[in-house]
Amino acid sequence: LAKTTQPISMDSYEGQEVNITCSHNNIATNDYITWYQQFPSQGPRFIIQGYKTKVTNEVASLFIPADRKSSTLSLPRVSLSDTAVYYCLVGEGNQGGKLIFGQGTELSVKP
Amino acid sequence: DTAVSQTPKYLVTQMGNDKSIKCEQNLGHDTMYWYKQDSKKFLKIMFSYNNKELIINETVPNRFSPKSPDKAHLNLHINSLELGDSAVYFCASSHRDRGRPGYGYTFGSGTRLTVV
Repeated sequence: LAKTTQPISMDSYEGQEVNITCSHNNIATNDYITWYQQFPSQGPRFIIQGYKTKVTNEVASLFIPADRKSSTLSLPRVSLSDTAVYYCLVGEGNQGGKLIFGQGTELSVKP
Repeated sequence: DTAVSQTPKYLVTQMGNDKSIKCEQNLGHDTMYWYKQDSKKFLKIMFSYNNKELIINETVPNRFSPKSPDKAHLNLHINSLELGDSAVYFCASSHRDRGRPGYGYTFGSGTRLTVV
């Protein structure tokens, strides 16, 4: 299983763009890259998933370089409510569907 | 509301007791999971059921026993509770065979178990 490494914590200010990079050097050909967000006292919430290049939805963008050994979650113009822990996950279907969570990045957005 | 709901939200109990946590999803998903989040925020999978069939059973003490009466429900029963069982337990659900693992899993809000 591919292991992921991401910064333990990040600080930002309201209105800034935040980029969280995840390293996954051992990613396999069939692996997808998925990001989840967890607010205090809540369960994780799916944000975005990608396989290669760039994916964008109403919440975030996900940039994946050609070698797929890393990925960057981009949150545009963060607000205080984006303060949360962000998890990068890498996995493929024959794991039986289980998600392997790493330590996550604790993002703190300040006014 | 469509969601994954688990009860109770908080559970405080003494060592040695037996307790259960219930989970229900109305999303029409075919797979349900139990995850444990310890004090260091690490989330680890414990069990997974697909259409009432156990498909993932991680290295978990056999004091923990999941039960899935139907694909919308997955309960967790814990016997002889120990101090180390204190954690937040999350139930989740998904469509297993969408070919995109990790896509769109929905988690409940968690059950904070405290063993004293």
